[in-house]
Amino acid sequence: DAKTTQPTSMDCAEGRAANLPCNHSTISGNEYVYWYRQIHSQGPQYIIHGLKNNETNEMASLIITEDRKSSTLILPHATLRDTAVYYCIALNSGGSNYKLTFGKGTLLTVNP
Amino acid sequence: NAGVTQTPKFQVLKTGQSMTLQCAQDMNHNSMYWYRQDPGMGLRLIYYSASEGTTDKGEVPNGYNVSRLNKREFSLRLESAAPSQTSVYFCASSAGTGYEQYFGPGTRLTVT
Repeated sequence: DAKTTQPTSMDCAEGRAANLPCNHSTISGNEYVYWYRQIHSQGPQYIIHGLKNNETNEMASLIITEDRKSSTLILPHATLRDTAVYYCIALNSGGSNYKLTFGKGTLLTVNP
Repeated sequence: NAGVTQTPKFQVLKTGQSMTLQCAQDMNHNSMYWYRQDPGMGLRLIYYSASEGTTDKGEVPNGYNVSRLNKREFSLRLESAAPSQTSVYFCASSAGTGYEQYFGPGTRLTVT
């Protein structure tokens, strides 16, 4: 799996958009970018994933650069409940890659 | 639609005692997983079940056994608990291996 690099921490004001970057310069053509988050003392939560097109769901949007070397997770209107550690992972989808390996992730703190 | 449920939420065991952690999912997923998460560390896969009737070892299987009881349920058994097994245990499920995983709330286990 390609290595991903994320900032250690970020702050965001409540109600504003939170933009979380991720670098994955060695990503291969069949690897998807997945985002998960873990709120303190809770189980990890799947957010979104994409291959090369931008994706949006009810939780977030994922913007992947044309060269696929980086991506940005966007929480359009951050709330205090979005304070969590966010993990960006590159994985082959639909294959036998079953083991999730979280790196350090980005601690997003949403401030009132 | 409860997603992934785990019981119990908390448990304290003495060294040498046994117990079973229960996990159930109502998403008709084929694959299920057991992870442990220690303070300051990432997830480590204990066992997984790619489909009903199959189970395989993950990266830290020693001291654990699993049973895929049916498509919905996947249990984790500690036969003789040790202090090194003090951890938070998460169960997860996915449509198949390599697809996004959905996690339960976790079981916080302390072995004294």
